[in-house]
Amino acid sequence: EIVLTQSPGTLSLSPGERATLSCGASQSISSSYVAWYQQKPGQAPRLLIYGTFNRATDIPDRFSGSGSGTEFTLTINGLEPEDFAVYFCQQYANSPGTFGQGTKLEIE
Amino acid sequence: EVQLVESGGGLVKPGGSLRLACAASGFSFTSYSMNWVRQAPGKRLEWVSSMSGGGAYILYADPVKGRFTISRDNAKKSLYLQMSSLRAEDSAVYFCVRSPVAGSSYFDYWGQGILVTVSS
Repeated sequence: EIVLTQSPGTLSLSPGERATLSCGASQSISSSYVAWYQQKPGQAPRLLIYGTFNRATDIPDRFSGSGSGTEFTLTINGLEPEDFAVYFCQQYANSPGTFGQGTKLEIE
Repeated sequence: EVQLVESGGGLVKPGGSLRLACAASGFSFTSYSMNWVRQAPGKRLEWVSSMSGGGAYILYADPVKGRFTISRDNAKKSLYLQMSSLRAEDSAVYFCVRSPVAGSSYFDYWGQGILVTVSS
């Protein structure tokens, strides 16, 4: 089972700034099968990025994904107030798909 | 608009059983695989089970194999999870989730989740 480790655990930024969230894998993830989700308190996760780079339906272009092998990144340019939430990465290259422990993006 | 609405959660004693249901709307139900994913307090999201659109392909996570059974009724656009021999570690919010394929996949729409608590 591939273990995903997200960093930092908490990221404190202000609206308008850029957020860079990292996701490290315990082994190389083939074919870039990495997804990112946003979750707000009391809500279901929302798919942001799949296939490492592809934005999901209706996701603004300030969200972008990158990476390969064992290191993947979610970048949010120009943070909006609604972007402050918890973010999870997921790998689905190997079964079972597994999730990272999450990064909390909070307002500084 | 895609909607997934879970029901059937609650408090159950260890060793007991519970059946979760998920009502789907807003998309062609048979065209998608459906899954259950759970989130225990303070723990990572954990995929539980998947079923393909036609129902022929079924997968379970090791911790629930032999105790949980996934099923679907395409005529009713509904997904189910029969949980038996429940343990304290099964306590979690259970999400009904859509995916393009069964098994290892990303999840594009999620229900709001339903709480299952296993406690004496």
